[in-house]
Amino acid sequence: DVKVTQSSRYLVKRTGEKVFLECVQDMDHENMFWYRQDPGLGLRLIYFSYDVKMKEKGDIPEGYSVSREKKERFSLILESASTNQTSMYLCASSLSGRGTGEKLFFGSGTQLSVL
Amino acid sequence: QKEVEQNSGPLSVPEGAIASLNCTYSDRVSQSFFWYRQYSGKSPELIMSIYSNGDKEDGRFTAQLNKASQYVSLLIRDSQPSDSATYLCAVNPTGGFKTIFGAGTRLFVKA
Repeated sequence: DVKVTQSSRYLVKRTGEKVFLECVQDMDHENMFWYRQDPGLGLRLIYFSYDVKMKEKGDIPEGYSVSREKKERFSLILESASTNQTSMYLCASSLSGRGTGEKLFFGSGTQLSVL
Repeated sequence: QKEVEQNSGPLSVPEGAIASLNCTYSDRVSQSFFWYRQYSGKSPELIMSIYSNGDKEDGRFTAQLNKASQYVSLLIRDSQPSDSATYLCAVNPTGGFKTIFGAGTRLFVKA
């Protein structure tokens, strides 16, 4: 089975802190994604990557950056955390390359609270 | 207009009944459609995918797609209390990486 592992289940940070969320997948998937999930808004795509060192903005990239130095690892960075970034963050991966609608495998999520 | 719309519910059905979950999407050229189930406090997991018009059955689940009406539905037959969850409709436009999710419909199955 595909395993997508997120480093922290719960995280509490202060406003202005730099925050790193880590995600690792073990099935050699090409694509990796970061979503945030808020009540009533569903999942919204922050960034995605279809190859090592490649990244593309999703629908809500403001205030975030990402890094993909190795195929299996995709990091989400909050440069200066703000209270409106309090949310559930979900990492996902999918197998195939450009243009196919493949299923997403999700990590267990990180509930981030910014105080 | 949201790109993927679902009734937020909650939808409440008695055990053994058919639960019907509906979804509409705005991008007419979308080609790939998915239903994810998300239990409270857990991450989404894929339960159905459908790519062509018509019905697709998998056990107690049936996905229905009507591209002309831009409409996707999920039927759950013989609903069980363990089916109580939020069901997320998701759409992947042709040639794109982005999977766009609806806000989800909460389903309660009463024993």
